[in-house]
Amino acid sequence: AQTVTQSQPEMSVQEAETVTLSCTYDTSESDYYLFWYKQPPSRQMILVIRQEAYKQQNATENRFSVNFQKAAKSFSLKISDSQLGDAAMYFCAYRGTGNQFYFGTGTSLTVIP
Amino acid sequence: DSGVTQTPKHLITATGQRVTLRCSPRSGDLSVYWYQQSLDQGLQFLIQYYNGEERAKGNILERFSAQQFPDLHSELNLSSLELGDSALYFCASSVRGFSGNTIYFGEGSWLTVV
Repeated sequence: AQTVTQSQPEMSVQEAETVTLSCTYDTSESDYYLFWYKQPPSRQMILVIRQEAYKQQNATENRFSVNFQKAAKSFSLKISDSQLGDAAMYFCAYRGTGNQFYFGTGTSLTVIP
Repeated sequence: DSGVTQTPKHLITATGQRVTLRCSPRSGDLSVYWYQQSLDQGLQFLIQYYNGEERAKGNILERFSAQQFPDLHSELNLSSLELGDSALYFCASSVRGFSGNTIYFGEGSWLTVV
C-alpha cells in the first residue's frame, strides 16, 4: 500500500509570513494525484489544492502553492501571506489508480498574530 | 458545502449500544468512503463502497459494518459500542475512474459513547 508521510507534527508562522509544510509519499505507480486538505477547529475537511502527477507545473490556488518533486516523491505546500484563518491541521493525501485515498498524519499549523 | 450530507451531526449513546450513521454522497458520485478520526488523531480509513459493492476495507472493527444502497446512500453501523469508539466519523464521496476526481467530505458525525 502507498504511504504518505508528514514529518512535521506542528509548525508555526507569523501572520503575513510564508510557511512550507512537507509531505513525502511512497508509490510504484506513475499516474496518481496528490492533495492537501485543511481541517480547521470546526473539524470539517476542506480541499486546499490538488496536483496531477503527469503535470510538471506546480498547482497554485491563490496564496497556496505546491512544490511537486516527482522523482523525490515530495509534495510540499507553501502558504504565502499567512492569515489567522489559515490556522488548522493540514493533511497530505495520495490517490492512485485504485481509487483509494491515503492520508498523512497531519501537520498542525499555528499562525501567530 | 461539499454536497456530502451526513446525519446525525451529533450523537451521544451508552456503551453496549448500537448506532447507525447515514451518508448521502454528492449527486453523481458512486464511491463512498468512511473514515474515523479520534481526538487529535489522523484519519483512519474504514471502508469504501462503489455503486453498492464493497471495494476496500481498512481498519474496520468486526463490530462495525457498512453498506451502500441502490440509491447510493450509505450507512455505517456501529454495535456493542465502547468508550474508545467515541470519534468523528467522516463520510466522503468521489466519482469512480482515474480522472483525478477529488474526495469530498461531509461535515462528519460526532459520536460520543458514555
